[in-house]
Amino acid sequence: QAVVTQEPSLTVSPGGTVTLTCGSSTGAVTSGHFPYWFQQKPGQAPRTLIYDTTNKHSWTPARFSGSLLGGKAALTLSGAQPDDEAEYFCLLSSGGARVFGGGTKLTVL
Amino acid sequence: EVQLVESGGGLVQPGGSLRLSCAPSGVTFSDLFVDWVRQAPGKGLEWVGRTKNKAYSYATEYAASLKGRFTISRDDSKNSLYLQMDSLKTEDTAMYYCAAIRGVFGYWGQGTLVTVSS
Repeated sequence: QAVVTQEPSLTVSPGGTVTLTCGSSTGAVTSGHFPYWFQQKPGQAPRTLIYDTTNKHSWTPARFSGSLLGGKAALTLSGAQPDDEAEYFCLLSSGGARVFGGGTKLTVL
Repeated sequence: EVQLVESGGGLVQPGGSLRLSCAPSGVTFSDLFVDWVRQAPGKGLEWVGRTKNKAYSYATEYAASLKGRFTISRDDSKNSLYLQMDSLKTEDTAMYYCAAIRGVFGYWGQGTLVTVSS
């Protein structure tokens, strides 16, 4: 089973841009891993932001975007707002199993 | 509006069993892929397994570390899904979520808490 790695923590200034990444121990992440991104705030259930690498839901703020970057899945936040402070998890699919990354705690400061 | 409601959590002794339920509404039940995800206190998300939709014969997939102790099933007549958990260990203590996240769905339940303790 692959190990999925994320930055443990990142800080972004209000209005700034930050990119979170999601890598796999088995090699480059591709669209075939169907990367997902989730946001979770304390005491709440996760919320799906991005599915299948780049696709947004109707509730996903336009400032979030998904991509593949340097062999990893990436979530870019452009124009960070205080409400974006949360933990972000990626999810990759491979060989009939799915694995979450350890999460990135994003601070907006 | 699509909703997923989990139930069945509670306190169980090590070695015991528990069955969680997930009841989706606002969506055609047979269309759904549904994942079970858990989160231990203060920890990250862990994928438990999932059931595919009717077009895929409701096939199931599991995390390798849990296969054999956890079983996912669904009952079309009751529009419900289940997570049967056997031989429970203290490390199975977690909030358990059902989630219909495949493709355009993206929905999560609020979770049900399972505590394994003597």
